[in-house]
Amino acid sequence: QVQLVQSGAEVKKPGASVKVSCKASGYTFTSYDINWVRQATGQGLEWMGWMNPNSGNTGYAQKFQGRVTMTRNTSISTAYMELSSLRSEDTAVYYCARKKGSGWYAPFDPWGQGTLVTVSS
Amino acid sequence: EIVMTQSPATLSVSPGERATLSCRASQSVSSNLAWYQQKPGQAPRLLIYGASTRATGIPARFSGSGSGTEFTLTISSLQSEDFAVYYCQQYNNWPLYSFGQGTKLEIK
Repeated sequence: QVQLVQSGAEVKKPGASVKVSCKASGYTFTSYDINWVRQATGQGLEWMGWMNPNSGNTGYAQKFQGRVTMTRNTSISTAYMELSSLRSEDTAVYYCARKKGSGWYAPFDPWGQGTLVTVSS
Repeated sequence: EIVMTQSPATLSVSPGERATLSCRASQSVSSNLAWYQQKPGQAPRLLIYGASTRATGIPARFSGSGSGTEFTLTISSLQSEDFAVYYCQQYNNWPLYSFGQGTKLEIK
């Protein structure tokens, strides 16, 4: 079945960077965009950006431009999201989510299990 | 940026009753609207896409309607497992996606 499995929880100090991985299985990795969404404790969902695993093209929400980088390794069907200059407000669960279809307009399905990133001195 | 606004923030309904959740877009998103269910400690799960199409395995008691800027998610007869937080998402403004702030459906 289609599945996204993310790396484990991270604890980082302010100013550091974190890199979260998302390993895909059950489908052709390069055929569907991967998106990243984060959720602070008790808060809603916040879209961060997307990546086309085939071309490597990316697009980021304005809020994260300059601090986020999305990459992939097609040989191991894995997407990565790196967030730099971490601050306490970045403490959240980070999700990867596959675009449901290969066309322009599609929701996200499935989602990874989430990775908790805690930023604390 | 398209802003999605959900109402109410919290909805209290008794099991077996109907629940109606609303989502409004700041500009037309056509029918490119999805609903997700999220339970504590879990990732969101796709319920409805294309405003009214149920995702695979979603029970028929979940239904979606609307187009343009006004959308509704209806749960016809609430089961205990339906109490959760529900989010709407527009994907019309690809690739700039946005979510509503969520509606918490709680047991009355």
